[in-house]
Amino acid sequence: NAGVTQTPKFQVLKTGQSMTLQCAQDMNHEYMSWYRQDPGMGLRLIHYSVGAGITDQGEVPNGYNVSRSTTEDFPLRLLSAAPSQTSVYFCASSRLAGGRYEQYFGPGTRLTVT
Amino acid sequence: KNQVEQSPQSLIILEGKNCTLQCNYTVSPFSNLRWYKQDTGRGPVSLTIMTFSENTKSNGRYTATLDADTKQSSLHITASQLSDSASYICVVSLMNNNAGNMLTFGGGTRLMVKP
Repeated sequence: NAGVTQTPKFQVLKTGQSMTLQCAQDMNHEYMSWYRQDPGMGLRLIHYSVGAGITDQGEVPNGYNVSRSTTEDFPLRLLSAAPSQTSVYFCASSRLAGGRYEQYFGPGTRLTVT
Repeated sequence: KNQVEQSPQSLIILEGKNCTLQCNYTVSPFSNLRWYKQDTGRGPVSLTIMTFSENTKSNGRYTATLDADTKQSSLHITASQLSDSASYICVVSLMNNNAGNMLTFGGGTRLMVKP
């Protein structure tokens, strides 16, 4: 299994540009989520999905869209990039094991918005 | 507000020494507490997961403790190695979380092990 994969690894955008961060998992996990990690702060949940066709907002959803058309893929779209969205983005998938959710994180995408 | 506070923010130790990282939380109702290791440029990797009924859990040279009464946890690293240099993140999960994604993350402790 490749686990959770993310592309690209690095990206530089100009303010106002749009782009999609890709996330895929091959573990058949129902739950997937997107986080952003900023210096000195804990990871913050952007959006999550409990299964194909179902998505919901997390703590910091503004400026981001998601969709979940398949179990495997959970892309994150930046509609109009802003410098405040400069961050490292992590995708994670979760499975229920022993009554609790185990999360597996991707390697991250480092995004800079100028 | 649910919070997870970690200390120290950063720590430097010599190879072979032990160290203890602290985590205090105010998350309620509490379900479980996790410790993750995050190497530079990588995603977090789970080290331990403890429910409120578990006081301690080990994973090799890593031992996590939990005091659900005082809402404190610690991660003890024994006989540190250079490869232990990483950020260690404490994460607390809310009870009755159907989505499995309502986690509160601490800011992490950055550990550097020097030869």
